[in-house]
Amino acid sequence: GIQVEQSPPDLILQEGANSTLRCNFSDSVNNLQWFHQNPWGQLINLFYIPSGTKQNGRLSATTVATERYSLLYISSSQTTDSGVYFCAVNTGGFKTIFGAGTRLFVKA
Amino acid sequence: ETGVTQTPRHLVMGMTNKKSLKCEQHLGHNAMYWYKQSAKKPLELMFVYSLEERVENNSVPSRFSPECPNSSHLFLHLHTLQPEDSALYLCASSQDVSGAGGNTIYFGEGSWLTVV
Repeated sequence: GIQVEQSPPDLILQEGANSTLRCNFSDSVNNLQWFHQNPWGQLINLFYIPSGTKQNGRLSATTVATERYSLLYISSSQTTDSGVYFCAVNTGGFKTIFGAGTRLFVKA
Repeated sequence: ETGVTQTPRHLVMGMTNKKSLKCEQHLGHNAMYWYKQSAKKPLELMFVYSLEERVENNSVPSRFSPECPNSSHLFLHLHTLQPEDSALYLCASSQDVSGAGGNTIYFGEGSWLTVV
């Protein structure tokens, strides 16, 4: 089956810093989503981005489908950005495969 | 607010108890899911329902019993659980199970389960 690898596994930032999270996947995908899981467990959709680039405030994402990777950019990080960021891909059907996540801690 | 509501948010149960987790979605979706998230493990898909019909039972032990009475509601009935079943249980929904482009998954807030 498809493999989804996220890097780095852990990241500590000073408030105000920028960061890039990466998601590599081993096969073609129908769709790709980025999620943020807050400390209380809630998974929030950030982007649906099977290809191209999207921006939402301080966050943006780029997926290069032909090279099988996606990047999530966080600019001017805030303490509320802390949590775990997941990349999830779907190759067809109901199975969405999640990466192991990047755990982000933003220090005040 | 994602449009998917789970109750209870926290549950502590003994190994001989019977309890249920409830999920409701207000998005008009046709597919609903149960996921399990244990410490330091990726999300594991447990069950998938499409239009109230189960389409996937991902080798889940029978002590977990799902029920989908209609396309808006999903339950996970729990009985004789083990301490290793302690985890975050997440409900999700999507428009359908096709995985087609734009078929975004929306998650509930999760139910933290502790088995003692």
